[in-house]
Amino acid sequence: AQSVTQLDSQVPVFEEAPVELRCNYSSSVSVYLFWYVQYPNQGLQLLLKYLSGSTLVKGINGFEAEFNKSQTSFHLRKPSVHISDTAEYFCAVSSAAAGNKLTFGGGTRVLVKP
Amino acid sequence: DAMVIQNPRYQVTQFGKPVTLSCSQTLNHNVMYWYQQKSSQAPKLLFHYYDKDFNNEADTPDNFQSRRPNTSFCFLDIRSPGLGDAAMYLCATSRGGLGGEQYFGPGTRLTVT
Repeated sequence: AQSVTQLDSQVPVFEEAPVELRCNYSSSVSVYLFWYVQYPNQGLQLLLKYLSGSTLVKGINGFEAEFNKSQTSFHLRKPSVHISDTAEYFCAVSSAAAGNKLTFGGGTRVLVKP
Repeated sequence: DAMVIQNPRYQVTQFGKPVTLSCSQTLNHNVMYWYQQKSSQAPKLLFHYYDKDFNNEADTPDNFQSRRPNTSFCFLDIRSPGLGDAAMYLCATSRGGLGGEQYFGPGTRLTVT
């Protein structure tokens, strides 16, 4: 079975400061990893994904994530946040063994302060 | 623009009164998913269709059913909503295949009175 742990439920950060959201996964097989963002009362939007190849993945809105197989992590980073980055962020994993279904972490709420 | 559309965005129903939520897509994706998301929680998969093949999650209550009359449309039927069914319901689509990302609609927020 696959699972995802997001280590921080809330992350307050000042505008223009960097942010890192931590994600660890558990799976006995090869996985695909995703980060989604959800703004209030909206659906989820894909920020970036890791399927294979380079372990540093760049996404939309200036976000990037690094896949670390030995540490089973996929942490999300942004060097300088904006007020508009205030949202809920979900890390997710899928695999062929799980029928390609997404398993989500519990989410991290990012609050950007002026 | 290709997209996933959910109607209505907000739905109020009475306890025990059947309700149907709808989802349509212009992406021509094979797979359509229904998720339930309660406040401050991750989305929880209820079921999905791969083309016409229906796949129910083991812990999805019998109160929840789904129909997919064609590639573009998928419906979520809640036969007798309880107060605990109040949630955001998200529809998503994907092409299918390994590592395929899911495209989400804006969601329908269901209130049960």
